[in-house]
Formats: sequence, structure tokens, C-alpha cells
Amino acid sequence: AQTVTQSQPEMSVQEAETVTLSCTYDTSENNYYLFWYKQPPSRQMILVIRQEAYKQQNATENRFSVNFQKAAKSFSLKISDSQLGDTAMYFCAFMKHVRAGNMLTFGGGTRLMVKP
Amino acid sequence: GAGVSQSPRYKVAKRGQDVALRCDPISGHVSLFWYQQALGQGPEFLTYFQNEAQLDKSGLPSDRFFAERPEGSVSTLKIQRTQQEDSAVYLCASSSRGGADTDTQYFGPGTRLTVL
Repeated sequence: AQTVTQSQPEMSVQEAETVTLSCTYDTSENNYYLFWYKQPPSRQMILVIRQEAYKQQNATENRFSVNFQKAAKSFSLKISDSQLGDTAMYFCAFMKHVRAGNMLTFGGGTRLMVKP
Repeated sequence: GAGVSQSPRYKVAKRGQDVALRCDPISGHVSLFWYQQALGQGPEFLTYFQNEAQLDKSGLPSDRFFAERPEGSVSTLKIQRTQQEDSAVYLCASSSRGGADTDTQYFGPGTRLTVL
């Protein structure tokens, strides 16, 4: 079974600064996906970024980038130029790459507050 | 196109009542997932459909939980004889196979169930 650990229950950052959220996972699989999702108070789970394990290049999406260290089983999220709208719960998630039934395993989340 | 929709957004039930939660996935998505999210925690997998076939129900916590997707589109999660421990947000997600975002799960806004 896979486990995902987010060791930072809460973090805060000043607007316009950079913050990094940590995530580690445990798996015996070699082929998988990793995701970061954002969940604002409205509850809608929004995809932030996705990484395929076979890709060595770290994924980026505008102000969001990841540091994927496969050997260390680490997958951190960096948010640059933080904005007030980035305030939310952030969940790291793991998915095996199989033909079917590939459910997500989530970490416990990190609550991020962006301060003006 | 439209995203994943869920109804109702909020449901209050008295202990022992039956409830039905509805999910409308993104049009054309063959995979549909249900998750349960307790307060302050990450979502946990309940069950998975590929088209109308329920291929994995290993996460359903008891036989009081039942899910169906009879025509391979809309899905209903039914909870019989609700208990207080069933209080949670129930999230639905759908995904497609093929394309750049293959297997990426897109979530609905969730249904918050409160059992009194």
C-alpha cells in the first residue's frame, strides 16, 4: 500500500514571496503519477500540477513548480510570487499507473495562508 | 465544457435515515471515483467505476454504503441507516483515458453530509 506524508500542517507566507510545501511518499511501484491539489474554503478540489514518475524534468505551471526526487521519494511544491488567492489547503496525492482502478492516495494536507 | 457537478451540496439527515448523493461527471469521462473526506483530513477512496462497471469497492466502510452508475454516466452513492460517523464531505471525481491529461482526476464541489 502507498502512503503520502505532508509534515507541515500549517504554513504562512507574505504576499509576493516564495513558499515550499513538502511531501514524501512510500511505494514499491516504479511507474506512477504525483499530484498537488488545492482546496479553498469553497471545498472544490482544484488540480495544481501533475508529475509523471518516468519524467526526470520537474513539472511547472506558471507560478507553481515541483521538485521531484524519485530516489528520495520526495515531491515538494514551490509557489512563487504568492497571491492572496493561493490561501487554501494543499494536498499531495499519489496514483499508481495501471490500466484501471487508479485511485488517488492523499496526504493529510497543508493549510497555507498568504498574508497581505 | 462543464465540470463535475454534485447534488445536493449540503445534506442533513437524522440518524437512521437513508440518503442518496448524486454525481454528474465530465461528459465522456469513463472513470468515476467517490471519496470521503472527514473534517481536517485528506480524502479517502471509496469506490471506482469504469463506465457502468463497479471495478473496485474496497474503500466502502460498511455494507450500508452502496454506489451505482447504471448507464455509465451519472452515479449515485447511497448510504442506508446513516450513523454519526458518516458525517463527512463526499467528493466525486472523473477522469478520461487518452490525451495529455489522461488519468488526471477532476473533482466536483462535494456534498457535505451531517448526521444528527
